[in-house]
Amino acid sequence: QVQLKESGPGLVQPSQTLSLTCTVSGFSLMDYSVHWVRQPPGKGLEWMGRMKYDGDTYYNSALKSRLSISRDTSKSQVFLKMNSLQTEDTAIYYCTVATFDYWGQGVMVTVSS
Amino acid sequence: DIQMTQSPSSLPASLGDRVTITCRASQDIGNYLRWFQQKPGKSPRLMIYGATNLANGVPSRFSGSRSGSDYSLTINSLESEDMAIYYCLQHNEYPHTFGAGTKLELK
Repeated sequence: QVQLKESGPGLVQPSQTLSLTCTVSGFSLMDYSVHWVRQPPGKGLEWMGRMKYDGDTYYNSALKSRLSISRDTSKSQVFLKMNSLQTEDTAIYYCTVATFDYWGQGVMVTVSS
Repeated sequence: DIQMTQSPSSLPASLGDRVTITCRASQDIGNYLRWFQQKPGKSPRLMIYGATNLANGVPSRFSGSRSGSDYSLTINSLESEDMAIYYCLQHNEYPHTFGAGTKLELK
């Protein structure tokens, strides 16, 4: 069945770069798009960007200058990198497939010194 | 960017009630509207897709409708397991945008 799992550091220092991995199973990254969504504690959902099945990417303009999404299809992994982190980037980060049909469990990232 | 104005932000209700949550799109999104349910500590769960279609495994007391640029999620005969936060999402254009959420709670 379709599964997604996010992984990455729980704590990142301000101004540093966040690197997250979404490892998927039950489908091919060449058949479905994967999106990243984040949720600050106690707040709503924000769409960050997506890796399309053909390798094309699209980013939220509010994050575009700091955000990069890539993938390794052989490992069934999608990567998120975001630089210049600030405290307001503290959030749960989710990856989700297709049109948000399936979601990972999320990974909590805290930006703090 | 397309704005999704969701209301109400909080909705106290009693078990057995019929409740409706609404999202208004600032531009035409066709039927590219989804509804999600999120419980504390859990990932969002898809409830409605294509504005009116029930996702797999979702109880039939949930329904979605559209009137112009207003999209609604209705829950008939509220049950305790329905207490959660509900979000709408438009995926007609990038960036995809979520509504701010509606917290459904027991009165």
